Amino acid sequence: GENVEQHPSTLSVQEGDSAVIKCTYSDSASNYFPWYKQELGKGPQLIIDIRSNVGEKKDQRIAVTLNKTAKHFSLHITETQPEDSAVYFCAASFFSGNQFYFGTGTSLTVIP
Amino acid sequence: EAGVAQSPRYKIIEKRQSVAFWCNPISGHATLYWYQQILGQGPKLLIQFQNNGVVDDSQLPKDRFSAERLKGVDSTLKIQPAKLEDSAVYLCASSLLQNTEAFFGQGTRLTVV
Repeated sequence: GENVEQHPSTLSVQEGDSAVIKCTYSDSASNYFPWYKQELGKGPQLIIDIRSNVGEKKDQRIAVTLNKTAKHFSLHITETQPEDSAVYFCAASFFSGNQFYFGTGTSLTVIP
Repeated sequence: EAGVAQSPRYKIIEKRQSVAFWCNPISGHATLYWYQQILGQGPKLLIQFQNNGVVDDSQLPKDRFSAERLKGVDSTLKIQPAKLEDSAVYLCASSLLQNTEAFFGQGTRLTVV
């Protein structure tokens, strides 16, 4: 099955700085890559996603890049704010497959 | 649009007891997932339904876990008997179709003592 690795496991940044979280996947058939934000006591919430026919996608302060050749994708958060503090998960799935494979999570702390 | 509803939010049981969780997905969503999230880890799929049929239950410990989705809408996940290592958050998610955006509920935090 698919194996998704995520780095770093923890990340602290000063408010206003950028944060980058990286994930790699193993199955070249994977074609859908969502990113989830999970706040304490809540379920994961989708913040952005990308499909394999696109190299980059942006939504205000959040962007995701995908390198299919290298099988890695990254989440970029610019102008970080304290409310961005949470655990972020990457995931991968493929059309003919049956599930999302999640990374191990990155705990992001934005220091005011 | 109402989100994925789960109940209860919290449950504490003794080992060897049984427990059941309930999930109501977003209206019209054909795909329903149950995930187990152990503290500090990413969610791990237990079972996936497409309408009322099971698509993938390869990681479901079938000797103690069972799930059903009657009429292709609500779903229940049961553990009988529970073990200490079953302590986790059980997340339900739904999506319109497979391989599309999945929406998660708030989860049920299970503590087995």
